[in-house]
Amino acid sequence: NAGVTQTPKFRVLKTGQSMTLLCAQDMNHEYMYWYRQDPGMGLRLIHYSVGEGTTAKGEVPDGYNVSRLKKQNFLLGLESAAPSQTSVYFCASSYPQGRSGQYFGPGTRLTVT
Amino acid sequence: ILNVEQSPQSLHVQEGDSTNFTCSFPSSNFYALHWYRWETAKSPEALFVMTLNGDEKKKGRISATLNTKEGYSYLYIKGSQPEDSATYLCAWYSGGGADGLTFGKGTHLIIQP
Repeated sequence: NAGVTQTPKFRVLKTGQSMTLLCAQDMNHEYMYWYRQDPGMGLRLIHYSVGEGTTAKGEVPDGYNVSRLKKQNFLLGLESAAPSQTSVYFCASSYPQGRSGQYFGPGTRLTVT
Repeated sequence: ILNVEQSPQSLHVQEGDSTNFTCSFPSSNFYALHWYRWETAKSPEALFVMTLNGDEKKKGRISATLNTKEGYSYLYIKGSQPEDSATYLCAWYSGGGADGLTFGKGTHLIIQP
């Protein structure tokens, strides 16, 4: 039981490049989330999904797109990376409704130069 | 966006001492309050999910209380050990769907031997 995994762990991009971050969970959770973590800002929700085929915007969605084609996977895309997107990205999953804790992946450290 | 405030931001505690810190959240539209423990170079792990006013939860030397009417929760650590060093996050869930989880910025706890 791997829990929540993220690929890659580290990445350096140049401004304007694109990339996709992959999150996978093996706990059969309906809900999945992408957060970014910046110094002094705490965890901020980028996008989330309440089930396969559905996605929705969180607090800071601009510059990102997501897809949930399979229940176990949640992809975060950056179409044209900007230095402001330098951050640590965490994926999480949970059962519905917020009455159970979220399970977090190990994080992806992204630097955009 | 309504704020979740945690205090203090950081805390140095001598090994063996007990300590506590606070999470303040909006008292309206309360659904659940989460506590997470986040060790350096790891990802956040859920400690408690609290839903009822007056709730008290305990896991080993760590416990938490909840006051939904006045909008605060306390996390207590009894007999601090070096392995308790971590950032402790709280998150307020307002029941607004998956985007209803708002994180505080955390209390960074350092246990000094």
